[in-house]
Amino acid sequence: GQQLNQSPQSMFIQEGEDVSMNCTSSSIFNTWLWYKQDPGEGPVLLIALYKAGELTSNGRLTAQFGITRKDSFLNISASIPSDVGIYFCAGLTSGTYKYIFGTGTRLKVLA
Amino acid sequence: NAGVMQNPRHLVRRRGQEARLRCSPMKGHSHVYWYRQLPEEGLKFMVYLQKENIIDESGMPKERFSAEFPKEGPSILRIQQVVRGDSAAYFCASSLRRLAQSTQYFGPGTRLLVL
Repeated sequence: GQQLNQSPQSMFIQEGEDVSMNCTSSSIFNTWLWYKQDPGEGPVLLIALYKAGELTSNGRLTAQFGITRKDSFLNISASIPSDVGIYFCAGLTSGTYKYIFGTGTRLKVLA
Repeated sequence: NAGVMQNPRHLVRRRGQEARLRCSPMKGHSHVYWYRQLPEEGLKFMVYLQKENIIDESGMPKERFSAEFPKEGPSILRIQQVVRGDSAAYFCASSLRRLAQSTQYFGPGTRLLVL
């Protein structure tokens, strides 16, 4: 089935560094969501984006809805150890109710 | 203000047994979605239900799997005659309105292990 490609697949960073990850698709989406999943838990919603070009922040997190509507970006500034986890993007096409999930970016923060 | 509840959190079954996974949506939410997650993969849509209705079950295997969301009580995902390939984490999500108009919130998941 259709899936979004996330990159990088995994990354190790030092505490205090900024992090960037993205999500790309061959299809156009009308809504992008970014989730974080901790080990053994369900995904937790971080940021929701509803309009092309939209830039939204949630604390140290900033996400953007790509102008082409085929991609989205998530940035984390000044990473801390609790940022570790898997970050998923999810896209929703107009007129549907099935979110398509990305393959995930596994983030590990070294203290 | 409780979030989405799922139970059990962990379930072990032998091949051929039945697995029943329960999901109680957030208060006031009448839209429920089930997803499956294999290790090292993203979530894959299985089924979308509103109260007493299955809206879309296109992601659910046609055999052995069924889902319901009765007027009273939790949503149930039922897997009959489980096989090892059914081992996965199953997540339920709920939303206040249709997804085009509201976001979905996930439960903690049920991790099914088939021996």
